[in-house]
Amino acid sequence: AQSVTQLGSHVSVSEGALVLLRCNYSSSVPPYLFWYVQYPNQGLQLLLKYTTGATLVKGINGFEAEFKKSETSFHLTKPSAHMSDAAEYFCAVSDKADGNKLVFGAGTILRVKS
Amino acid sequence: DTAVSQTPKYLVTQMGNDKSIKCEQNLGHDTMYWYKQDSKKFLKIMFSYNNKELIINETVPNRFSPKSPDKAHLNLHINSLELGDSAVYFCASSQEAGEGTQYFGPGTRLLVL
Repeated sequence: AQSVTQLGSHVSVSEGALVLLRCNYSSSVPPYLFWYVQYPNQGLQLLLKYTTGATLVKGINGFEAEFKKSETSFHLTKPSAHMSDAAEYFCAVSDKADGNKLVFGAGTILRVKS
Repeated sequence: DTAVSQTPKYLVTQMGNDKSIKCEQNLGHDTMYWYKQDSKKFLKIMFSYNNKELIINETVPNRFSPKSPDKAHLNLHINSLELGDSAVYFCASSQEAGEGTQYFGPGTRLLVL
């Protein structure tokens, strides 16, 4: 069974600082990996995804993530945080053989201080 | 145009009632899903339909019954509502082929009193 672990339920950074949100996964097959963002009282918006090919993927709003198979990680980064980045971020893995269901991590709340 | 829409957005009801949540997608996708987000924001798959056929049915009480009249719609009916059903319910859709990126609706916030 697949699983996702997000290290740190809360991350706080200063505006302009590096954002690093950690995600480790467990999968018995080559994974498809996703990062979603949820703003307060809203639905989930896809930030970026890794399926195959280049291991460094770029997403919306200046975010990027790198798939590292040896570390079973898919950490999310952004060089310079903006106040508008404050939200909850979810890492997820899907298994095409299991109906493409998404298995989510517990989420990381990002706080950006001015 | 909203890609994945859900109605209602908010639902407040009494224990024991029966309620339905509707979901529609205009993306032409083959597959639709229901997820539940609990009070701790944990998201978990409940059901998935592909071309009106049930393909995922996680361990969910049989008070929950999904219905897919066509591949653009997936409704969720809940019988005999309980306090523990209070949560946010998200609908999503994806194409079957490829990596199956899922697109989510805005959520339905259900509060059972």
